[in-house]
Amino acid sequence: GQSLEQPSEVTAVEGAIVQINCTYQTSGFYGLSWYQQHDGGAPTFLSYNALDGLEETGRFSSFLSRSDSYGYLLLQELQMKDSASYFCAVQTGANNLFFGTGTRLTVIP
Amino acid sequence: NAGVMQNPRHLVRRRGQEARLRCSPMKGHSHVYWYRQLPEEGLKFMVYLQKENIIDESGMPKERFSAEFPKEGPSILRIQQVVRGDSAAYFCASSPAGTGLNTEAFFGQGTRLTVV
Repeated sequence: GQSLEQPSEVTAVEGAIVQINCTYQTSGFYGLSWYQQHDGGAPTFLSYNALDGLEETGRFSSFLSRSDSYGYLLLQELQMKDSASYFCAVQTGANNLFFGTGTRLTVIP
Repeated sequence: NAGVMQNPRHLVRRRGQEARLRCSPMKGHSHVYWYRQLPEEGLKFMVYLQKENIIDESGMPKERFSAEFPKEGPSILRIQQVVRGDSAAYFCASSPAGTGLNTEAFFGQGTRLTVV
Protein backbone atom coordinates (compact mmCIF):
# COMPACT_ATOMS: atom_id res chain seq x y z
CA GLY A 1 0.00 0.00 0.00
CA GLN A 2 0.89 3.64 -0.12
CA SER A 3 1.34 5.86 2.89
CA LEU A 4 2.59 9.26 3.90
CA GLU A 5 3.20 10.10 7.53
CA GLN A 6 3.35 13.58 8.94
CA PRO A 7 2.52 14.91 12.42
CA SER A 8 -1.12 15.79 12.88
CA GLU A 9 -0.52 19.00 14.83
CA VAL A 10 2.31 21.42 15.56
CA THR A 11 2.28 24.59 17.64
CA ALA A 12 4.99 27.23 17.43
CA VAL A 13 5.60 30.79 18.55
CA GLU A 14 5.50 33.77 16.23
CA GLY A 15 8.97 34.53 14.93
CA ALA A 16 10.26 31.03 15.58
CA ILE A 17 11.27 28.26 13.16
CA VAL A 18 9.25 25.09 12.68
CA GLN A 19 9.99 21.90 10.76
CA ILE A 20 7.26 19.59 9.49
CA ASN A 21 8.49 16.11 8.60
CA CYS A 22 7.07 13.73 6.03
CA THR A 23 7.99 10.11 5.45
CA TYR A 24 6.54 8.23 2.53
CA GLN A 25 6.09 4.76 1.18
CA THR A 26 4.66 4.76 -2.33
CA SER A 27 4.67 2.55 -5.39
CA GLY A 28 6.08 5.30 -7.59
CA PHE A 29 8.04 8.45 -6.90
CA TYR A 30 8.60 11.42 -9.13
CA GLY A 31 8.89 14.09 -6.46
CA LEU A 32 7.62 15.51 -3.17
CA SER A 33 5.41 18.59 -3.00
CA TRP A 34 4.14 20.72 -0.16
CA TYR A 35 0.81 22.51 -0.09
CA GLN A 36 -0.69 24.99 2.34
CA GLN A 37 -4.39 25.08 3.05
CA HIS A 38 -6.17 27.62 5.23
CA ASP A 39 -9.50 26.62 6.75
CA GLY A 40 -12.15 26.67 4.06
CA GLY A 41 -9.62 27.48 1.36
CA ALA A 42 -7.97 25.83 -1.59
CA PRO A 43 -4.66 23.99 -1.30
CA THR A 44 -1.93 26.24 -2.63
CA PHE A 45 1.41 25.07 -3.89
CA LEU A 46 4.49 25.85 -1.79
CA SER A 47 7.36 23.76 -3.14
CA TYR A 48 8.44 20.71 -5.09
CA ASN A 49 11.56 18.55 -4.71
CA ALA A 50 12.49 15.96 -7.31
CA LEU A 51 16.13 15.63 -6.29
CA ASP A 52 17.86 15.31 -2.94
CA GLY A 53 18.66 18.53 -1.17
CA LEU A 54 17.22 21.77 0.05
CA GLU A 55 15.06 24.16 -1.97
CA GLU A 56 14.59 27.64 -0.54
CA THR A 57 11.81 30.05 -1.38
CA GLY A 58 11.71 33.06 0.90
CA ARG A 59 10.79 32.06 4.44
CA PHE A 60 9.95 28.51 3.35
CA SER A 61 12.41 25.74 2.53
CA SER A 62 11.84 22.13 1.60
CA PHE A 63 14.21 19.20 1.85
CA LEU A 64 14.20 15.75 0.29
CA SER A 65 16.19 12.59 0.87
CA ARG A 66 15.11 9.95 -1.63
CA SER A 67 17.25 7.25 -0.04
CA ASP A 68 15.50 7.80 3.28
CA SER A 69 12.04 8.36 1.74
CA TYR A 70 11.90 11.49 3.84
CA GLY A 71 11.35 15.17 3.42
CA TYR A 72 10.53 18.21 5.48
CA LEU A 73 9.13 21.69 5.19
CA LEU A 74 10.91 24.41 7.14
CA LEU A 75 9.11 27.63 7.96
CA GLN A 76 11.20 30.49 9.32
CA GLU A 77 10.21 33.76 10.99
CA LEU A 78 6.77 32.41 11.63
CA GLN A 79 3.86 34.78 11.23
CA MET A 80 0.33 34.45 12.53
CA LYS A 81 -0.91 34.09 8.95
CA ASP A 82 1.14 30.89 8.63
CA SER A 83 -1.43 29.11 10.81
CA ALA A 84 -2.87 26.58 8.38
CA SER A 85 -2.70 22.93 7.42
CA TYR A 86 0.34 21.77 5.51
CA PHE A 87 0.22 18.71 3.28
CA CYS A 88 3.06 16.75 1.81
CA ALA A 89 2.20 15.02 -1.45
CA VAL A 90 4.11 12.49 -3.47
CA GLN A 91 3.85 12.59 -7.23
CA THR A 92 3.44 8.87 -7.82
CA GLY A 93 2.95 9.10 -11.56
CA ALA A 94 2.94 11.71 -14.29
CA ASN A 95 -0.64 12.58 -13.41
CA ASN A 96 -1.22 11.66 -9.81
CA LEU A 97 -0.49 13.32 -6.50
CA PHE A 98 -0.88 11.22 -3.35
CA PHE A 99 -1.53 13.46 -0.36
CA GLY A 100 -0.75 12.98 3.32
CA THR A 101 -3.38 13.71 5.95
CA GLY A 102 -1.87 17.07 6.78
CA THR A 103 -0.23 18.86 9.70
CA ARG A 104 -2.21 21.56 11.39
CA LEU A 105 0.17 24.38 12.35
CA THR A 106 -0.92 26.84 15.00
CA VAL A 107 1.21 29.94 15.46
CA ILE A 108 0.81 31.60 18.84
CA PRO A 109 1.90 35.10 19.88
CA ASN B 1 -6.19 35.19 -15.99
CA ALA B 2 -8.76 33.64 -13.72
CA GLY B 3 -7.75 30.64 -11.68
CA VAL B 4 -9.57 27.35 -11.46
CA MET B 5 -13.24 28.14 -10.92
CA GLN B 6 -15.56 25.79 -9.11
CA ASN B 7 -19.23 26.19 -8.47
CA PRO B 8 -21.18 26.09 -6.40
CA ARG B 9 -19.00 26.79 -3.38
CA HIS B 10 -21.53 25.18 -1.10
CA LEU B 11 -24.15 22.60 -2.01
CA VAL B 12 -26.76 21.01 0.23
CA ARG B 13 -28.60 17.94 -0.94
CA ARG B 14 -31.06 15.54 0.69
CA ARG B 15 -30.26 11.86 0.70
CA GLY B 16 -31.18 10.31 -2.64
CA GLN B 17 -30.84 13.51 -4.67
CA GLU B 18 -28.23 14.20 -7.31
CA ALA B 19 -25.28 16.55 -6.90
CA ARG B 20 -23.56 18.21 -9.86
CA LEU B 21 -20.26 19.95 -9.25
CA ARG B 22 -18.66 22.13 -11.92
CA CYS B 23 -15.06 23.00 -12.59
CA SER B 24 -13.67 25.40 -15.17
CA PRO B 25 -9.91 24.96 -15.50
CA MET B 26 -7.45 27.78 -15.81
CA LYS B 27 -7.24 29.37 -19.22
CA GLY B 28 -5.05 27.27 -21.45
CA HIS B 29 -5.32 24.16 -19.27
CA SER B 30 -6.89 21.09 -20.78
CA HIS B 31 -6.30 18.57 -17.99
CA VAL B 32 -8.60 18.38 -14.99
CA TYR B 33 -8.27 16.38 -11.78
CA TRP B 34 -10.89 15.87 -9.09
CA TYR B 35 -10.03 15.26 -5.44
CA ARG B 36 -12.19 14.63 -2.39
CA GLN B 37 -11.32 15.83 1.08
CA LEU B 38 -13.08 14.55 4.17
CA PRO B 39 -12.92 16.67 7.34
CA GLU B 40 -9.49 16.61 8.98
CA GLU B 41 -8.06 14.48 6.16
CA GLY B 42 -5.88 14.88 3.11
CA LEU B 43 -7.04 15.06 -0.46
CA LYS B 44 -7.82 11.78 -2.19
CA PHE B 45 -7.53 11.45 -5.94
CA MET B 46 -10.72 10.57 -7.74
CA VAL B 47 -10.40 11.07 -11.49
CA TYR B 48 -8.22 12.63 -14.17
CA LEU B 49 -9.75 13.88 -17.41
CA GLN B 50 -8.70 15.52 -20.60
CA LYS B 51 -11.13 17.08 -23.05
CA GLU B 52 -13.71 14.41 -23.94
CA ASN B 53 -11.62 11.63 -22.33
CA ILE B 54 -11.40 10.00 -18.94
CA ILE B 55 -7.73 9.09 -18.50
CA ASP B 56 -7.69 7.67 -14.98
CA GLU B 57 -10.72 7.03 -12.78
CA SER B 58 -9.05 4.64 -10.39
CA GLY B 59 -9.98 6.73 -7.35
CA MET B 60 -13.63 7.12 -8.14
CA PRO B 61 -16.29 4.86 -6.59
CA LYS B 62 -17.68 2.50 -9.19
CA GLU B 63 -21.28 3.31 -8.42
CA ARG B 64 -23.17 6.61 -8.31
CA PHE B 65 -20.15 8.73 -9.31
CA SER B 66 -19.34 9.90 -12.81
CA ALA B 67 -17.26 12.64 -14.38
CA GLU B 68 -17.05 14.29 -17.74
CA PHE B 69 -15.08 17.03 -19.44
CA PRO B 70 -16.84 17.95 -22.66
CA LYS B 71 -15.28 19.70 -25.60
CA GLU B 72 -17.09 22.86 -24.60
CA GLY B 73 -17.90 23.91 -21.07
CA PRO B 74 -16.74 22.93 -17.62
CA SER B 75 -15.87 19.55 -16.20
CA ILE B 76 -18.75 18.03 -14.24
CA LEU B 77 -18.53 15.65 -11.30
CA ARG B 78 -21.90 14.01 -10.82
CA ILE B 79 -23.00 12.10 -7.75
CA GLN B 80 -26.30 10.28 -8.00
CA GLN B 81 -28.46 9.23 -5.05
CA VAL B 82 -26.22 10.96 -2.55
CA VAL B 83 -25.70 9.51 0.91
CA ARG B 84 -24.45 11.16 4.11
CA GLY B 85 -20.97 9.69 3.53
CA ASP B 86 -20.65 11.78 0.37
CA SER B 87 -20.48 14.93 2.49
CA ALA B 88 -17.02 16.34 1.83
CA ALA B 89 -15.13 19.07 0.04
CA TYR B 90 -14.52 18.32 -3.61
CA PHE B 91 -11.57 20.06 -5.20
CA CYS B 92 -10.69 20.39 -8.83
CA ALA B 93 -7.17 21.02 -10.12
CA SER B 94 -5.95 21.77 -13.62
CA SER B 95 -2.72 21.65 -15.57
CA PRO B 96 -1.62 22.50 -19.09
CA ALA B 97 -1.47 19.82 -21.75
CA GLY B 98 1.65 17.73 -21.74
CA THR B 99 2.86 18.49 -18.26
CA GLY B 100 0.56 16.54 -16.04
CA LEU B 101 0.80 17.40 -12.38
CA ASN B 102 4.48 17.89 -12.93
CA THR B 103 5.49 20.36 -10.30
CA GLU B 104 2.51 22.43 -9.35
CA ALA B 105 -1.19 21.79 -9.30
CA PHE B 106 -3.58 24.73 -9.40
CA PHE B 107 -6.60 24.04 -7.24
CA GLY B 108 -10.00 25.65 -7.21
CA GLN B 109 -11.71 26.82 -4.01
CA GLY B 110 -13.66 23.61 -3.80
CA THR B 111 -17.31 22.70 -3.48
CA ARG B 112 -18.45 21.76 -0.02
CA LEU B 113 -21.20 19.19 -0.31
CA THR B 114 -23.45 18.56 2.66
CA VAL B 115 -25.94 15.73 2.51
CA VAL B 116 -28.78 16.03 4.98
